Amino acid sequence: EDKVVQSPLSLVVHEGDTVTLNCSYEVTNFRSLLWYKQEKKAPTFLFMLTSSGIEKKSGRLSSILDKKELFSILNITATQTGDSAVYLCAVGTNAGKSTFGDGTTLTVKP
Amino acid sequence: KAGVTQTPRYLIKTRGQQVTLSCSPISGHRSVSWYQQTPGQGLQFLFEYFSETQRNKGNFPGRFSGRQFSNSRSEMNVSTLELGDSALYLCASSPGQNTNYGYTFGSGTRLTVV
Repeated sequence: EDKVVQSPLSLVVHEGDTVTLNCSYEVTNFRSLLWYKQEKKAPTFLFMLTSSGIEKKSGRLSSILDKKELFSILNITATQTGDSAVYLCAVGTNAGKSTFGDGTTLTVKP
Repeated sequence: KAGVTQTPRYLIKTRGQQVTLSCSPISGHRSVSWYQQTPGQGLQFLFEYFSETQRNKGNFPGRFSGRQFSNSRSEMNVSTLELGDSALYLCASSPGQNTNYGYTFGSGTRLTVV
């Protein structure tokens, strides 16, 4: 059975801190790994990673994938209160199915 | 361009009833996936449709079913509702038939079973 595990489950930091969120996976026929940010409602897409070692970057957020060790990290630098959310990792397979992790709840305090 | 639209936004049903939820994907998107989200279980995959065909199904009982129409709109149906079916049901659409494109989620339908 496909499995995606995120850690930590929750994290509390202060504005300006840097955080690293982890996602490890065991799936059959890996296709891509996706990161989402979920605030009050629907998840919003952040990154899609398909190749090892290539960093994707968007502002203060960046992510990288290691297909050999089967994990990805999401980094957020200079955190702001608006970064408070649940960060979800999902792994997609060649068959088109996505498996989500339980998410990491990030709270950024002023 | 309009996003993924789910209707209704909120729904209250009693045990034993059935319910139908609707999802209109982004124009041009042909893949629609459904998820159930609960505080205890996180996001659980229900099923995925592409070009009116169900391509994948998650580990949910047969009370959960869905379909996709020729215009890519999708519906999911839950029969004989149980209290444990209370959840946020999210629909996501994607242009292609694999996860290489990322998904765009709708705002969800909050179902409460009493």
